[in-house]
Amino acid sequence: AQSVTQLDSHVSVSEGTPVLLRCNYSSSYSPSLFWYVQHPNKGLQLLLKYTSAATLVKGINGFEAEFKKSETSFHLTKPSAHMSDAAEYFCVVSDRGTYKYIFGTGTRLKVLA
Amino acid sequence: EAQVTQNPRYLITVTGKKLTVTCSQNMNHEYMSWYRQDPGLGLRQIYYSMNVEVTDKGDVPEGYKVSRKEKRNFPLILESPSPNQTSLYFCASSLSADNFYEQYFGPGTRLTVT
Repeated sequence: AQSVTQLDSHVSVSEGTPVLLRCNYSSSYSPSLFWYVQHPNKGLQLLLKYTSAATLVKGINGFEAEFKKSETSFHLTKPSAHMSDAAEYFCVVSDRGTYKYIFGTGTRLKVLA
Repeated sequence: EAQVTQNPRYLITVTGKKLTVTCSQNMNHEYMSWYRQDPGLGLRQIYYSMNVEVTDKGDVPEGYKVSRKEKRNFPLILESPSPNQTSLYFCASSLSADNFYEQYFGPGTRLTVT
């Protein structure tokens, strides 16, 4: 069975400091993993995805994530936070052949000036 | 412009009054899906469709119906809405049912059932 745990419901960082949003997953088959961002009162936008190629994945706006199978983790990082990064972030897992997508409960990122 | 559209964007209704939320995509995508978003719960999948005429239940299908008669459209039907279906609903589509492909989301429909 597939599941996702986002370890922090809220994260606060100062502008210009690194961002780390943590995601652990459970998967029975070969998973695809995604990070989506949702800005206030907006829809969801893809940041990046892992689909069994390179384990270090680079996305938009300077974000990246590393797939670690031994730790069942897919943490999202950014070297330097910007005010515009303030949003809610969702980690998503999908097992091949299930046609289902399981979302984490989200992490709300606050960026302090 | 490639997009997923939903209508209406906002809807207030009363318990038991049937309603339909429409979803349409113009990207020739095979896979479409409906989600509901509730505070603290993230997004939960209601129904999905791998291609025309093929649909299946997600994790929270109770109280909802869908149909996929055309590739571009995937309406969500609430036959007898109840207050616990008050939520923010998103439609999404992707190129195929293969989970290699990301989903594109619509702008959302905020539904209130009184």
